[in-house]
Amino acid sequence: QSALTQPASVSGSPGQSITISCTGTSSDVGSYNLVSWYQQYPDKAPKLMISEVSKRPSGVSDRFSGSKSGNTASLTISGLQAEDEGDYYCCSYAGSSTVIFGGGTKLTVL
Amino acid sequence: QVQLVQSGAEVKKPGASVKVSCKASGYTLTTHYMHWVRQAPGQGLEWMGITNPNDGGTAYAQKFQGRVTMTSDTSTSTVYMELSSLRSEDTAMYYCARTPLAGNLNFDFWGQGTLVTVSS
Repeated sequence: QSALTQPASVSGSPGQSITISCTGTSSDVGSYNLVSWYQQYPDKAPKLMISEVSKRPSGVSDRFSGSKSGNTASLTISGLQAEDEGDYYCCSYAGSSTVIFGGGTKLTVL
Repeated sequence: QVQLVQSGAEVKKPGASVKVSCKASGYTLTTHYMHWVRQAPGQGLEWMGITNPNDGGTAYAQKFQGRVTMTSDTSTSTVYMELSSLRSEDTAMYYCARTPLAGNLNFDFWGQGTLVTVSS
């Protein structure tokens, strides 16, 4: 089972918006509204940013939003800030109690 | 407060086995599934498997079938992951992370990670 497909890197200037895509198949992203997104800083554990496609956990900035269309989920970060720089991973349920992660996207704030 | 505290770093020789523990506190172990996720140096997250502390049920990623065993000890609120027949490619940070039994996929709390190094 291959990882979900994410761009290796994205970048943006402070204040801009960026979107990270996460492409799977009809067996995972396309079949379940169980896509979540994680932010990871170097040498730190990942942090949940978006759950169930578009829900924002308590404490997560409303600059973060999620959506899904067909087999592709997306994470949008608006009003980019320096502290948003890091790695982002999508994750989807893939049936039969299995889970699959995306390959990760490195976000650079210019 | 919820905490998942993992055991310390390990150095193993190829062919050996490693057993990593994850002790949960601040909540009742049986209210959540526990997953294991690993991350090789400079690489992405890789899901290894899931265990249900209520009944010991497990599901493993196909890649690790036959090599990984996940168990729980509810008396100590500790979950274990054992990986056998280690090879150099298993060198990675290993994380435990919980999701609720409710059925969503929210990895809301993670352990601090356990670095496993496989080297001759």
